[in-house]
Amino acid sequence: AQSVTQLDSQVPVFEEAPVELRCNYSSSVSVYLFWYVQYPNQGLQLLLKYLSGSTLVKGINGFEAEFNKSQTSFHLRKPSVHISDTAEYFCAVTTYSGGYQKVTFGTGTKLQVIP
Amino acid sequence: GAVVSQHPSRVICKSGTSVKIECRSLDFQATTMFWYRQFPKQSLMLMATSNEGSKATYEQGVEKDKFLINHASLTLSTLTVTSAHPEDSSFYICSARPRRASGNTIYFGEGSWLTVV
Repeated sequence: AQSVTQLDSQVPVFEEAPVELRCNYSSSVSVYLFWYVQYPNQGLQLLLKYLSGSTLVKGINGFEAEFNKSQTSFHLRKPSVHISDTAEYFCAVTTYSGGYQKVTFGTGTKLQVIP
Repeated sequence: GAVVSQHPSRVICKSGTSVKIECRSLDFQATTMFWYRQFPKQSLMLMATSNEGSKATYEQGVEKDKFLINHASLTLSTLTVTSAHPEDSSFYICSARPRRASGNTIYFGEGSWLTVV
């Protein structure tokens, strides 16, 4: 079985401050990792993904994440947040086993940027 | 906690036939449901947004006549892939927003793996 844990349900942060949204996963097979953002009344948008290669992944809107296999983590970071970053962020794990795909989402982290 | 159920989890169908995938919110009423597809090693791609009581809003490039979405009730949305072809083989996943959710809370189904042969 696989699981994804987003440790913080809400993260308030002041504008222009740095932020880290935490994501830990568990899986018995190799994983592909994703971070998505959801704005009110919209579907998910991809921020970034890790498939293989460099463990530091850069995404859109200045976000980046680092895959740490030993700690089974894929934390999302941004050095300076903007008001427009206020949204809900979801970490997701995709695995392939026995020819089938499985996707597991975290419960989401609401990022609130304070002016 | 809130649960979203998708059925079937895996389905194989013949080319040219239609297949229906159900997305149910088991313990809440959902005003909005989203349908996504995901190809191997790719991210989710939003196909359409389904609001109860109105027609689904499709994303650009998604054929509404091929991917029929019906938000039949506050707890059920269905995606029907009509005249399926092998290139429609993919992973389809839904998400649902509770009617009385505060903020932007949303819950995901476990997905449906469609193989068209």
